[in-house]
Amino acid sequence: DTGVSQNPRHKITKRGQNVTFRCDPISEHNRLYWYRQTLGQGPEFLTYFQNEAQLEKSRLLSDRFSAERPKGSFSTLEIQRTEQGDSAMYLCATLPGQHYGYTFGSGTRLTVV
Amino acid sequence: QKEVEQNSGPLSVPEGAIASLNCTYSDRGSQSFFWYRQYSGKSPELIMSIYSNGDKEDGRFTAQLNKASQYVSLLIRDSQPSDSATYLCAVKESGGSYIPTFGRGTSLIVHP
Repeated sequence: DTGVSQNPRHKITKRGQNVTFRCDPISEHNRLYWYRQTLGQGPEFLTYFQNEAQLEKSRLLSDRFSAERPKGSFSTLEIQRTEQGDSAMYLCATLPGQHYGYTFGSGTRLTVV
Repeated sequence: QKEVEQNSGPLSVPEGAIASLNCTYSDRGSQSFFWYRQYSGKSPELIMSIYSNGDKEDGRFTAQLNKASQYVSLLIRDSQPSDSATYLCAVKESGGSYIPTFGRGTSLIVHP
């Protein structure tokens, strides 16, 4: 257990359905990041929060993706109208400060059928 | 477009040998460098960070950074079968949002 909790661990959904993932970070880490990782690739940045403010979004984050971090605590990532290309591991990571390495959660593996 | 390049491998070494993993990066302004280990089906785990030119040792792991040549490497001494995993290199630039760029990782297999 890294201290960063992600739920669910696995999600299988039909194409076109909406899905939502949750990340509960280490309480004293104010920076929270979402990444996506497909087989054989490194993690790809999606979006970043400092406290409750969403400060940066990757161009990978299409209009179907939205993320929130109300009150600077847990964060949710929602994918609307899922496509097969959305199948991946979705990783949440937190930092106590900008010069540190990430602590990753265990990830949510999404399979779109 | 910032790029971080790693040989995908697999790199196969016998137990007890030194495993050498390499990473090159394109952004000369990069200041922070990280190595993560990722077991199959699991999330990445931070094992080393390095910020200055030279070597940094932590147990069986040594990270080496050469900013002039834009490469960073990870040496694993006395490799064990439990070291078999994918090793991800991540590089952060000095300014902006400090979002690191990850390489695709190198698969390491340590055989008994």
